[in-house]
Amino acid sequence: EVQLVESGGGLVQPGGSLRLSCSASAFSISNYAMDWVRQAPGKGLEFVAAITENRGSTYYADSVRGRFTISTDNSRNTLYLQMSSLRPDDTALYYCVQDMRNWGQGTLVTVSS
Amino acid sequence: QSVVTQPPSVSGTPGQRVTISCFGSSSNIGKNALNWYQQLPGAAPKLVMYRNDQRPLGVPDRFSGSKSGASASLAISGLQSEDEADYYCAVWDDSLDFVVFGGGTKLTVL
Repeated sequence: EVQLVESGGGLVQPGGSLRLSCSASAFSISNYAMDWVRQAPGKGLEFVAAITENRGSTYYADSVRGRFTISTDNSRNTLYLQMSSLRPDDTALYYCVQDMRNWGQGTLVTVSS
Repeated sequence: QSVVTQPPSVSGTPGQRVTISCFGSSSNIGKNALNWYQQLPGAAPKLVMYRNDQRPLGVPDRFSGSKSGASASLAISGLQSEDEADYYCAVWDDSLDFVVFGGGTKLTVL
C-alpha cells in the first residue's frame, strides 16, 4: 500500500525558512510525478508545486514561485519542499501527493511572530 | 476567486442522486482531464474520480464523472450519510502552467 509521510512542519517567524520532507514507501518516487498541495485552516485546497517523473520540469503556483523549491532524493525515496521568505499567508497544512492520486496526512506549517 | 468554480454547497437525502458541478475554461477543463477528490472532516483528500470519468479501485460505482466542453460534474447516486464531505475538482491549466482546484463543494446528507 502506498504510504506518504510528511514531516518538517512547525512554527516559524515571518521571513524564515523551513524544509518539508515526504518519505514514500511501497513505490519508487522516481517513477512518478510528485506534488505539494496545501490547505489553509478552514479553506480549500491549493496547488503549491510539482516535479515531473523524469525530474526535467518543476512547476509552481504564482503565490510561491521564487520562494519555494521542490526537489527529490531518489536514493532516500523522499520528496522535499524548501520554503523561504515565509509569510503569514503560507500558514497551512501541507500535503505530499503522488501524481495527484495518493495523499499523505499532511504537516502543519504556521508562520507567525 | 478560483479560475475553476464549484457551487459552495449541495444537499440531498439518503438514497437520492446529487450532482456537483465544476466550471472552467478552454485553458483548463476544456483541454485537460480532470480529477475529483473527497475530503471527509478532519481527513486528507481522497481521489474518487480521475481522467474525468475513471473510478479508482475501491470507490463505489455510485460515483460517476462526466465532462462536456469546459465543465464537468461528479454524480453520486444512492446517497449515503458517509458521503457527507467536501468535494474538489482539480485540473491542469495550460495558461497558468499549474494545477487549479475548484473552491470545493460541501455535500450535506439531510
